[in-house]
Amino acid sequence: AQTVTQSQPEMSVQEAETVTLSCTYDTSESDYYLFWYKQPPSRQMILVIRQEAYKQQNATENRFSVNFQKAAKSFSLKISDSQLGDAAMYFCAYRGSLGSARQLTFGSGTQLTVLP
Amino acid sequence: ETGVTQTPRHLVMGMTNKKSLKCEQHLGHNAMYWYKQSAKKPLELMFVYNFKEQTENNSVPSRFSPECPNSSHLFLHLHTLQPEDSALYLCASSQDNPRTSGANEQFFGPGTRLTVL
Repeated sequence: AQTVTQSQPEMSVQEAETVTLSCTYDTSESDYYLFWYKQPPSRQMILVIRQEAYKQQNATENRFSVNFQKAAKSFSLKISDSQLGDAAMYFCAYRGSLGSARQLTFGSGTQLTVLP
Repeated sequence: ETGVTQTPRHLVMGMTNKKSLKCEQHLGHNAMYWYKQSAKKPLELMFVYNFKEQTENNSVPSRFSPECPNSSHLFLHLHTLQPEDSALYLCASSQDNPRTSGANEQFFGPGTRLTVL
């Protein structure tokens, strides 16, 4: 079974600084997708960024970028120029391509605090 | 209405009550999901419906009963719940085709905060 591990339950960053959230996963598949979701205090989970495993280039969405290391099974999220609105719980998620692995498996989350 | 909506947003119920959670998606998707989110734990997938057929049931107790009357609506019927069932229940939808590759991003609703007394 796939597992997703987020080893940092809590992180904090100064406004305008950069922070990196860690995520590792375990899988025997070669074709899969990885996601970072953000859940602010309003509770609505929204997609921040996604990465296809077959793509070597790291995904980027404005201030959000990932460092995808397929061999190491690592998928970290970098937030540049942090803003107060970035404060939220961040979940890393894995989606495989076969059978039940096609459903999302989530990590336990990292609570990010942005300090003014 | 746009996206995925859930009602009610908050629910308090006794252990002998029967209640239902409702989810509606306005995205034209063909798959819908129920997740349970408890404090300090990863999201737990409970049920998956694809083309109105239940395709996943992750060993969920029978006191949770899903219903998917069409591809836009999903219900979670609750009866004789336990205090440990108190959690945030999230609904999500996606456009899913097992025959094609694709990230099939899931879109989430705001959740129902359930408290069982």
